[in-house]
Amino acid sequence: GDSVTQMEGPVTLSEEAFLTINCTYTATGYPSLFWYVQYPGEGLQLLLKATKADDKGSNKGFEATYRKETTSFHLEKGSVQVSDSAVYFCALSGSGAGRRALTFGSGTRLQVQP
Amino acid sequence: DTAVSQTPKYLVTQMGNDKSIKCEQNLGHDTMYWYKQDSKKFLKIMFSYNNKELIINETVPNRFSPKSPDKAHLNLHINSLELGDSAVYFCASSQALTGGTEAFFGQGTRLTVV
Repeated sequence: GDSVTQMEGPVTLSEEAFLTINCTYTATGYPSLFWYVQYPGEGLQLLLKATKADDKGSNKGFEATYRKETTSFHLEKGSVQVSDSAVYFCALSGSGAGRRALTFGSGTRLQVQP
Repeated sequence: DTAVSQTPKYLVTQMGNDKSIKCEQNLGHDTMYWYKQDSKKFLKIMFSYNNKELIINETVPNRFSPKSPDKAHLNLHINSLELGDSAVYFCASSQALTGGTEAFFGQGTRLTVV
């Protein structure tokens, strides 16, 4: 079945540092890939997505490129802020007929220190 | 104007009780979901409905029963609550059964069974 593997956290960075959170996936066909963010005490919000190979999703300074050859969708940001502290989830939605529920990775907690 | 709303936000109850969580979406979406987030933040799909029809029913104890009176509502009823049911339950919705469709999440219901 489909699966998503994320790097374990927590990731602790100083403000303005470069961020990478690794995400790899296993799925048949051509899944769509997502990054969601969960701020403390809140639900999940879509951060960015990519629906086909080589697509780059971007939002709020975050980027991720859909790499089919390495089955990866790593999240990057050039300069993190304290307000980026949250839990980040990589997810996929399969391309087959029928089920469309998201399969999530285990989440990576990011802590940004001033 | 909340897109996906769940009630209650917090629920503390004793073992053996029966409880319900309600979810409503005002986005006009056809598909709704229930996810369970455990203490380690891992998210797993429980159920999905499309136009009031159950389309995903993961390996969940039959004490959990979803009900969709119309496509804007998906409630979760839990019988004979157990300690292991303690978790955060998220409702979500999406427009259609296509892989690239974003899911919108509610704020979550933190269920604590004592």
